[in-house]
Amino acid sequence: AQTVTQSQPEMSVQEAETVTLSCTYDTSESNYYLFWYKQPPSRQMILVIRQEAYKQQNATENRFSVNFQKAAKSFSLKISDSQLGDTAMYFCAFMTRTTSGTYKYIFGTGTRLKVLA
Amino acid sequence: DVKVTQSSRYLVKRTGEKVFLECVQDMDHENMFWYRQDPGLGLRLIYFSYDVKMKEKGDIPEGYSVSREKKERFSLILESASTNQTSMYLCASSSRGGSRYTQYFGPGTRLTVL
Repeated sequence: AQTVTQSQPEMSVQEAETVTLSCTYDTSESNYYLFWYKQPPSRQMILVIRQEAYKQQNATENRFSVNFQKAAKSFSLKISDSQLGDTAMYFCAFMTRTTSGTYKYIFGTGTRLKVLA
Repeated sequence: DVKVTQSSRYLVKRTGEKVFLECVQDMDHENMFWYRQDPGLGLRLIYFSYDVKMKEKGDIPEGYSVSREKKERFSLILESASTNQTSMYLCASSSRGGSRYTQYFGPGTRLTVL
C-alpha cells in the first residue's frame, strides 16, 4: 500500500531561524506529484509547494524549499527565515493514480510547527 | 482565485440523524474530494468524484455516501450519524491536469454527533 509518513508530530523554531520538516513515502510508481500543504490555526488549508517526481531540480517558493530524494523516497520541507505566520499544521501529500484511471491523494499525519517569538 | 465553500462551519447532530454536508466550488473543477481530519490521523479520504454523477470510494467510505448531480456541488451524506463520525470534514477540488494537480480546500465543517 502507498503510504506517507511524517515522523515529527510537533516542532518548534525560533523566529528568523531555519527548520526542516521530514516526509517519506512509499510507492512503486515512477511518475507522481508530491505536495506540502499548510493549515494555519482555524484557517483553510493551502498549498505551500509542489514537486513533480520527473524533475530532478528541487522546487522552491520564496522561503520554502524542498529536498527531494527520489531514490530514498524522501521529500522534506525547509522553511528559511521562519516567521510567526508560519505557525501551522503542515501536511505532506502524495498524488497517486487509481485503478479507474483517475487520481487521488494520500496525506501524512501532519507536523504541528510553532514559530516562537 | 479558486473558492471552495462548505455549507456549515459547525454542526451538532444527534445519533441516528441523517446529515448532509455540502461543498461548492466555483472554478469548474472536474475532481472533488471529501476528507475527514482527526488528530494524529491526518486527512483520510472518504469519497471522491471525477465527474458529474461519477464517484469512487476512498479509504474510509463506510457509513458515508456522496452525491454529485452538478459539477460545482459535491455532497457528503451520513445516513445515520454515529458518535464515531464526530470529526472535521474537509472538501477539496482540483482540475484534471490543470494547476498541476493542486487541490483547493474549503474551510471545513466541524461535526459533533451527540
